[in-house]
Amino acid sequence: AQSVAQPEDQVNVAEGNPLTVKCTYSVSGNPYLFWYVQYPNRGLQFLLKYITGDNLVKGSYGFEAEFNKSQTSFHLKKPSALVSDSALYFCAVRDLRASGSARQLTFGSGTQLTVLP
Amino acid sequence: SAVISQKPSRDICQRGTSLTIQCQVDSQVTMMFWYRQQPGQSLTLIATANQGSEATYESGFVIDKFPISRPNLTFSTLTVSNMSPEDSSIYLCSGWGLAETQYFGPGTRLLVL
Repeated sequence: AQSVAQPEDQVNVAEGNPLTVKCTYSVSGNPYLFWYVQYPNRGLQFLLKYITGDNLVKGSYGFEAEFNKSQTSFHLKKPSALVSDSALYFCAVRDLRASGSARQLTFGSGTQLTVLP
Repeated sequence: SAVISQKPSRDICQRGTSLTIQCQVDSQVTMMFWYRQQPGQSLTLIATANQGSEATYESGFVIDKFPISRPNLTFSTLTVSNMSPEDSSIYLCSGWGLAETQYFGPGTRLLVL
């Protein structure tokens, strides 16, 4: 079984400050990790993913995430937050060796990020 | 990246009626999924849409209530049957693309009165 935990329902940060949105995961094999962002009344937009390789993954809109195998974490980060980054963020995981209908992603509960001007 | 469109984008329906949501992908995807999401909440997988065969439903979802079709690699429909107010939600289509990334449509916002 695979699972994702986003321990913070809400994260508030001042504009210009660095932001971190936390995610931890559990899979039986090697993880395939994603971050998505959802703006109000919109679908989910893909931000970045980790399959293998460098532990630091860079994605859209200046976001990056660091894969930490020992801590089973994949925290989303941005050096300088913008008000326009305010949205709902989802972490998701899949077992890299899953096949067939098991290839669907398992999502975390979501973290509402609010960047204050 | 795959671009996924859904129709309708929103609808208000009467109790007891049915609504069919269409999902079109602009490139071939290996897997297609249907999710349900309450505003501000996480996603719940309804089913995996299989091309040319019956969909694979998750626990708590049944074919009679949520019939799904996928006649080809780039198109799928989800019907919400005999609707009740509890079916009010956002319904999202998703596709697992050749780039090993899962993409989502913009969602269909359904309100059942």
